[in-house]
Amino acid sequence: AQSVTQLDSHVSVSEGTPVLLRCNYSSSYSPSLFWYVQHPNKGLQLLLKYTSAATLVKGINGFEAEFKKSETSFHLTKPSAHMSDAAEYFCVVAVGGSQGNLIFGKGTKLSVKP
Amino acid sequence: DAGVIQSPRHEVTEMGQEVTLRCKPISGHDYLFWYRQTMMRGLELLIYFNNNVPIDDSGMPEDRFSAKMPNASFSTLKIQPSEPRDSAVYFCASSFRGSGANVLTFGAGSRLTVL
Repeated sequence: AQSVTQLDSHVSVSEGTPVLLRCNYSSSYSPSLFWYVQHPNKGLQLLLKYTSAATLVKGINGFEAEFKKSETSFHLTKPSAHMSDAAEYFCVVAVGGSQGNLIFGKGTKLSVKP
Repeated sequence: DAGVIQSPRHEVTEMGQEVTLRCKPISGHDYLFWYRQTMMRGLELLIYFNNNVPIDDSGMPEDRFSAKMPNASFSTLKIQPSEPRDSAVYFCASSFRGSGANVLTFGAGSRLTVL
């Protein structure tokens, strides 16, 4: 069965420092993986997706994620945090064989200090 | 495009009342999803439609919940009767298979409080 585990419920960084949000997945298939971001009182927005092409995926707002099959990980990174990056981030795996079913991680809340 | 539009944004109701949440997907999208978000359980898929047909409703909690999609531009999620444990943010999302059916565009959500 497919699942995702976000290893940190809350990450706090200073503005200008790197961001690392960790995600491990479990999948019986070659997975499709996503990161979504949710700003306060807003809907979720797609940051990036991995669908078995390049293992390093670039997304919006300077974020990127690397698919590592040997480690079953899909960590999200950004070289330099901005205040506007403060939000909740969800790692997501698509259920194999299903066109639309996604399994969301519990989320990681990112705080950015000035 | 205005994106996925949900209404109402906020609803406060009393236990036992009927609640109807509405969603207008992005024009041309052929998948529509209803999710529920709570602190305890995170994001849960309730039901999704493809070309207006319900495909998987296994996430619908119980018979008090029902969802319809009478046409490609409108869907409702109804709770009757509502209970305090239904308090949550309900999200509607849509996608287009041609761009990857798993790439969802979410609405801003409907925050439901049942007293």
